[in-house]
Amino acid sequence: GEDVEQSLFLSVREGDSSVINCTYTDSSSTYLYWYKQEPGAGLQLLTYIFSNMDMKQDQRLTVLLNKKDKHLSLRIADTQTGDSAIYFCISGGSYIPTFGRGTSLIVHP
Amino acid sequence: GAGVSQTPSNKVTEKGKYVELRCDPISGHTALYWYRQSLGQGPEFLIYFQGTGAADDSGLPNDRFFAVRPEGSVSTLKIQRTERGDSAVYLCASSTKGGTSSEQFFGPGTRLTVL
Repeated sequence: GEDVEQSLFLSVREGDSSVINCTYTDSSSTYLYWYKQEPGAGLQLLTYIFSNMDMKQDQRLTVLLNKKDKHLSLRIADTQTGDSAIYFCISGGSYIPTFGRGTSLIVHP
Repeated sequence: GAGVSQTPSNKVTEKGKYVELRCDPISGHTALYWYRQSLGQGPEFLIYFQGTGAADDSGLPNDRFFAVRPEGSVSTLKIQRTERGDSAVYLCASSTKGGTSSEQFFGPGTRLTVL
């Protein structure tokens, strides 16, 4: 089946940039998504990128897509303690999204 | 506005019992998904409804799991003869048209514990 790989943990200081990486296998993915899961809360869409784009910027968030290497990254500028959460990369070419295991972002004051 | 709701938020049951988990999607969303999330893992797809019909149930682990959506809105996930390995958070999500081109809106989940 399709696979999505992410590193499990990332620890940063408040104010620094965070970069969360993801690799995927489904080359037919039309969209790639980043979802955020905070403790005790449901998953929320953070941002997405269409597969024919290389980069998308949305305020503090920058998504980079290297389609050749099937690599997706999420950069959070000026990381805040409120950004502490689990971040999931999702690919899906059809209608069944494939989730990674998620990256736990820990932000230290 | 109202988001996706799931009831109960927590369910503790004994091995061998039957449970039902309910999902109320956002009004007007035709697509509904069920996922299972175990500790330290990402959500694992179980079943996808488009309207009243199950468009894909390939993620259901075995025949103890069944889901319905009789009127195309509320869905119920049913688990028979529960096992300890069924313990997880069960997530429901809905979207306007299904497929990976539209955003999924997730509920808060039901935490199922099988003793």
